[in-house]
Amino acid sequence: GENVEQHPSTLSVQEGDSAVIKCTYSDSASNYFPWYKQELGKRPQLIIDIRSNVGEKKDQRIAVTLNKTAKHFSLHITETQPEDSAVYFCAASIRGNMLTFGGGTRLMVKP
Amino acid sequence: GAVVSQHPSWVICKSGTSVKIECRSLDFQATTMFWYRQFPKQSLMLMATSNEGSKATYEQGVEKDKFLINHASLTLSTLTVTSAHPEDSSFYICSARVLTSGADTQYFGPGTRLTVL
Repeated sequence: GENVEQHPSTLSVQEGDSAVIKCTYSDSASNYFPWYKQELGKRPQLIIDIRSNVGEKKDQRIAVTLNKTAKHFSLHITETQPEDSAVYFCAASIRGNMLTFGGGTRLMVKP
Repeated sequence: GAVVSQHPSWVICKSGTSVKIECRSLDFQATTMFWYRQFPKQSLMLMATSNEGSKATYEQGVEKDKFLINHASLTLSTLTVTSAHPEDSSFYICSARVLTSGADTQYFGPGTRLTVL
């Protein structure tokens, strides 16, 4: 089955700096890669996703890149703000089916 | 759109009792829902895939007789934790698969925190 590795597990940045979270996946059949943001005790919120027919997608301060050959994808957050502090999960699946999640990254943005 | 609700949000029960958790898609029909389990400071682990009108598909290591799933309608899936024990205490989250033109993704419910005494 699919295996998703996520790094780093914790990330601390200064407000205004950029943050990058990286994930690798094992199943070359996976073609859908969402990113979720989860605040303590709350549901995961979809923040951006990318499908295997594109290499990059951007939504304001958030961007995701995908390298199918290397089987890795990354989340980039620019101009970080304290409200970006949360746990971020990457995931991989075939279409929108069973999601396999990475281990999560705890992002802390220091004011 | 794509709102998923869960009930209850928090439940405490005695060991040996059964607990039912409901997952509803409020503004769309979901033929497929998923149940995840999340321990503190850990990732989400898929427990089972719930398909409307058919039996659920369980992941390896998940006891189907302990975690009963029923997807009786296109907007409701239920997870029943039978004969709950303290080790079943966890955060249970459901998601619903949304199929729109060219898009196929999942939206999550708010989760249910189960504490078994």
